[in-house]
Amino acid sequence: QKEVEQNSGPLSVPEGAIASLNCTYSDRGSQSFFWYRQYSGKSPELIMSIYSNGDKEDGRFTAQLNKASQYVSLLIRDSQPSDSATYLCAVGASGGSYIPTFGRGTSLIVHP
Amino acid sequence: NAGVTQTPKFQVLKTGQSMTLQCAQDMNHNSMYWYRQDPGMGLRLIYYSASEGTTDKGEVPNGYNVSRLNKREFSLRLESAAPSQTSVYFCASSEQGSDGYTFGSGTRLTVV
Repeated sequence: QKEVEQNSGPLSVPEGAIASLNCTYSDRGSQSFFWYRQYSGKSPELIMSIYSNGDKEDGRFTAQLNKASQYVSLLIRDSQPSDSATYLCAVGASGGSYIPTFGRGTSLIVHP
Repeated sequence: NAGVTQTPKFQVLKTGQSMTLQCAQDMNHNSMYWYRQDPGMGLRLIYYSASEGTTDKGEVPNGYNVSRLNKREFSLRLESAAPSQTSVYFCASSEQGSDGYTFGSGTRLTVV
C-alpha cells in the first residue's frame, strides 16, 4: 500500500510569515508530485507540480523535492489570510499507471 | 471556460435507491477520475478512465459502476445506495495520467 504522510495540523502562522508544509511518501519509484489547495467546502485546486529534484518556484509558492529522502515540501512566502486552507500532497505511482496517492492534508491558518 | 462540470451538486437518497452522477470536461483531456472524500480519510479513488473506451477500478470500487460515454463524459452509478456511500464525490480530469488534475465542484451525497 503506497503511503503519503502529512501532518494534519493545524499549522498556524502570522500574516507575512513563511508557511512550510511537508509530505513524505513510501513509493521510491514515484516521478510526479503535486500540491493542491482546498478551501473548506470546495474542491481541490492544483497549485504546484514538480517532477525533478530541487526547487520549483511559482510566485509566492516554492515546491521542494528530495527523492533520496522521499520528501516533498511546499513553502508559501508572505502568507496571507486568503492562504488559509487545507493543502493536499499527491504522489504519482511508479510502474506506469501514474495514479497518485493523496495525503490527508495539512490545515493552514494564517492569522492577521 | 467551464473546466469540469458535475451534476447534481447535492443529493439525498434513501437506502436502496439508485442514481447516476454526471461529469463532463471541456478541456479535451484524455483521463478522467472519480474520487470520494470523507472526513479523516482523504481522497480515495473509486474508478478511473485512462483514455476513452477504458475504465479501471481504483481503491474503493465496491458498490459503484462507471461509464466513459465519450471523451468528454464519465459517469458514476450507484445501483443500490447504502449509508456508507454518504460522502462528497469529486470528478477530475487530466491531459495525461502523469499530469495534475482539474477537479469538478463536487457532489454532496447523503444516503439515509
